Amino acid sequence: AQTVTQSQPEMSVQEAETVTLSCTYDTSESDYYLFWYKQPPSRQMILVIRQEAYKQQNATENRFSVNFQKAAKSFSLKISDSQLGDAAMYFCAYKSGGAQKLVFGQGTRLTINP
Amino acid sequence: NAGVMQNPRHLVRRRGQEARLRCSPMKGHSHVYWYRQLPEEGLKFMVYLQKENIIDESGMPKERFSAEFPKEGPSILRIQQVVRGDSAAYFCASCGGGQGHQETQYFGPGTRLLVL
Repeated sequence: AQTVTQSQPEMSVQEAETVTLSCTYDTSESDYYLFWYKQPPSRQMILVIRQEAYKQQNATENRFSVNFQKAAKSFSLKISDSQLGDAAMYFCAYKSGGAQKLVFGQGTRLTINP
Repeated sequence: NAGVMQNPRHLVRRRGQEARLRCSPMKGHSHVYWYRQLPEEGLKFMVYLQKENIIDESGMPKERFSAEFPKEGPSILRIQQVVRGDSAAYFCASCGGGQGHQETQYFGPGTRLLVL
């Protein structure tokens, strides 16, 4: 079974600085997708970024980018120019190819210091 | 284009009562997933449904829990004879079921169930 591990329960960063959240996963499959979701205090799950395993290029969405290391099974999220609104729980998730379930990590609570 | 809708947003039940949680997927989406989030934990998969079919219920407790996605109307997650341990946030997600961006699951706002 696939597993997703987020080894940082909590992280903090100064406003306007850069922070990286770690995620590793375990799978024997070659066709899969990886996601980062954000859960602010409202508890809504918001998609931040997605990565297809077959793509070598790292995904980028404005201030959010990933470092996808397929051989190492690592999928870290970099947030540049951190803003107060970025404060939230961040969950890394894995999904097999096809309409399959998401497997989530334990989450990392990100605090932004003004 | 409305997102995934869930109701109620908050639900309070006494032990032994039934809880019914509803989910309407995004327009054009035919795949629905239910996840449960216990306090201070990540989301755990419960069940995956398509219209009139349960595809994967490997995460659903064998007793008291059931789910359906009828031909017409929302998907329903039903919890019978609730216990305090059922208190959690229940999230519904939907996707188009195709390739590429159709693979992405979009979440509703969740239903917070509190069992007294």
